[in-house]
Amino acid sequence: AQKITQTQPGMFVQEKEAVTLDCTYDTSDPSYGLFWYKQPSSGEMIFLIYQGSYDQQNATEGRYSLNFQKARKSANLVISASQLGDSAMYFCAMREGRYSSASKIIFGSGTRLSIRP
Amino acid sequence: DTGVSQDPRHKITKRGQNVTFRCDPISEHNRLYWYRQTLGQGPEFLTYFQNEAQLEKSRLLSDRFSAERPKGSFSTLEIQRTEQGDSAMYLCASSMGQGAINEKLFFGSGTQLSVL
Repeated sequence: AQKITQTQPGMFVQEKEAVTLDCTYDTSDPSYGLFWYKQPSSGEMIFLIYQGSYDQQNATEGRYSLNFQKARKSANLVISASQLGDSAMYFCAMREGRYSSASKIIFGSGTRLSIRP
Repeated sequence: DTGVSQDPRHKITKRGQNVTFRCDPISEHNRLYWYRQTLGQGPEFLTYFQNEAQLEKSRLLSDRFSAERPKGSFSTLEIQRTEQGDSAMYLCASSMGQGAINEKLFFGSGTQLSVL
């Protein structure tokens, strides 16, 4: 069964606009972690932001914020004031497993974001 | 230590041959992961280690794949009797693995395998 779902294969956004990348997840574990990674055309995987299931507030890192809606099992990434350098593949990931001390991290299929000048 | 390193960067092999990849994680990291990624797709989980113990191996993974992490340091991933469908980028990642943000993965540059 698909654990991480990213429903937007590709998106085009005008430079300086905000963009929301969708991610839904499925787990029965009350303790889990959610991550977003960026993969530019160079291929490197770059960590962007983390949200723990017990965190009371939505995570923010600079221009990145995570819209965490626990009841809906949704963890959307919001990029404010998009830049040309934001063009890349974006992956949502989840640490899943019954115990955080022995759990793996799995990834969604990704969203290709293209920023128009 | 500047990060996770993988060797080789590229590997071209003929179908039926065995190949082995190496990953050197960040020295203080306890967890080491292997993923496979094909073009336009997300990284697919293969296996992971906590120190030298292999905690899980993907059920989708053929018995032709095996991984080791002797002494809890570097890791090797071996593919026996390679098939054309094994062509992919093989990514290694490591983390401190102690919960929450410490589980953040640091990725290597990957090994691109091409099976002819």
